[in-house]
Amino acid sequence: GAVVSQHPSWVICKSGTSVKIECRSLDFQATTMFWYRQFPKQSLMLMATSNEGSKATYEQGVEKDKFLINHASLTLSTLTVTSAHPEDSSFYICSARVGTSTDTQYFGPGTRLTVL
Amino acid sequence: RKEVEQDPGPFNVPEGATVAFNCTYSNSASQSFFWYRQDCRKEPKLLMSVYSSGNEDGRFTAQLNRASQYISLLIRDSKLSDSATYLCVVNAYSGYALNFGKGTSLLVTP
Repeated sequence: GAVVSQHPSWVICKSGTSVKIECRSLDFQATTMFWYRQFPKQSLMLMATSNEGSKATYEQGVEKDKFLINHASLTLSTLTVTSAHPEDSSFYICSARVGTSTDTQYFGPGTRLTVL
Repeated sequence: RKEVEQDPGPFNVPEGATVAFNCTYSNSASQSFFWYRQDCRKEPKLLMSVYSSGNEDGRFTAQLNRASQYISLLIRDSKLSDSATYLCVVNAYSGYALNFGKGTSLLVTP
């Protein structure tokens, strides 16, 4: 299947710092990428939908000024957690939709963020 | 009410057993249905899509009942490597993000 990478795979940072997470589609072009967050023992929750060349669409309750998303190319989307706090500690996963006529999505390996 | 609901389990079964997971979804306009598998601290991986006519992939059989808004997954001849969390996933609108259930935990024991 299609390959999606994420970097870094894990990060530990101090409260108040900003963290950037990259999501790349390695062998295909992804016009749409999605960012999810998963807390322990919870389901994946969609944070935002990222379309190449346009502003991201955020889900209700997700602060767009705190979670900055940039989708500058067809193979790269970035999520920046600004002024991170301990409650932002979570597993952040991106996914990319393959093509435009399928709903199949492939997921990156996730980034585990711990904010001290 | 959650959009996708699953029995969280855990299901503890011996090797070789048959186990079934159920899932219900609330949006009758939903178009696409999937089962994903998630191992501990890993990303979800697509197990299989679910079609209205039902479909089978080796030891795995998925069924969809649109009238009841109900999806099932049957695993036959369970292997130790089947131990994971199984996520029921629904897509309401083409091109939109996926709605995930909380997952059903399966532990297959020797």
